[in-house]
Amino acid sequence: NAGVTQTPKFRVLKTGQSMTLLCAQDMNHEYMYWYRQDPGMGLRLIHYSVGEGTTAKGEVPDGYNVSRLKKQNFLLGLESAAPSQTSVYFCASSSLFPGQLGEKLFFGSGTQLSVL
Amino acid sequence: AQSVTQLDSQVPVFEEAPVELRCNYSSSVSVYLFWYVQYPNQGLQLLLKYLSGSTLVKGINGFEAEFNKSQTSFHLRKPSVHISDTAEYFCAVTPNSGGYQKVTFGIGTKLQVIP
Repeated sequence: NAGVTQTPKFRVLKTGQSMTLLCAQDMNHEYMYWYRQDPGMGLRLIHYSVGEGTTAKGEVPDGYNVSRLKKQNFLLGLESAAPSQTSVYFCASSSLFPGQLGEKLFFGSGTQLSVL
Repeated sequence: AQSVTQLDSQVPVFEEAPVELRCNYSSSVSVYLFWYVQYPNQGLQLLLKYLSGSTLVKGINGFEAEFNKSQTSFHLRKPSVHISDTAEYFCAVTPNSGGYQKVTFGIGTKLQVIP
């Protein structure tokens, strides 16, 4: 069972470079999320999607763009990377709302991004 | 608006000793509460969640948490920890309407189990 797969696992960028992080899930989930994790700040939501072809802003969307062209994939893009975007990025997916019994967020294993 | 406070950033504990990780929250509406665990170089995994009903919630790996509405707390406990419990633990809260996009995570508590 693959679950949620993130690629790449590590990346180093120079300031101003661009890149795309790929998240793929094989559970047929409708909802997908991108978070960033920084020391002392927990997880913060960047963007999310409630279905194929839809995206919405989360708590910290500036400097990022996303696309959900296929239900199983959720891409996070950095058009012009900045040192402040050095972080660990997590993708997650879910099928229903948190209040459903047995429902939970499934997380990928993360991408460590360093911007020099 | 809602917030989560994890009072301890690090908790060292000897193997086989009990542990309590503290979590307090604030919200103007009714909430669901969660505890997640993150092992090194992995994503978060759900330990347990409180939706409604019994205030004592049992989760995986022998963990349990108690919801205390009057104290707005949701502390995580384990009566006897194992080396394999060394990880970072996150408390989270969301309004009981809407989706996961409304979840607020705490800053995490690192549990270090000492042999």
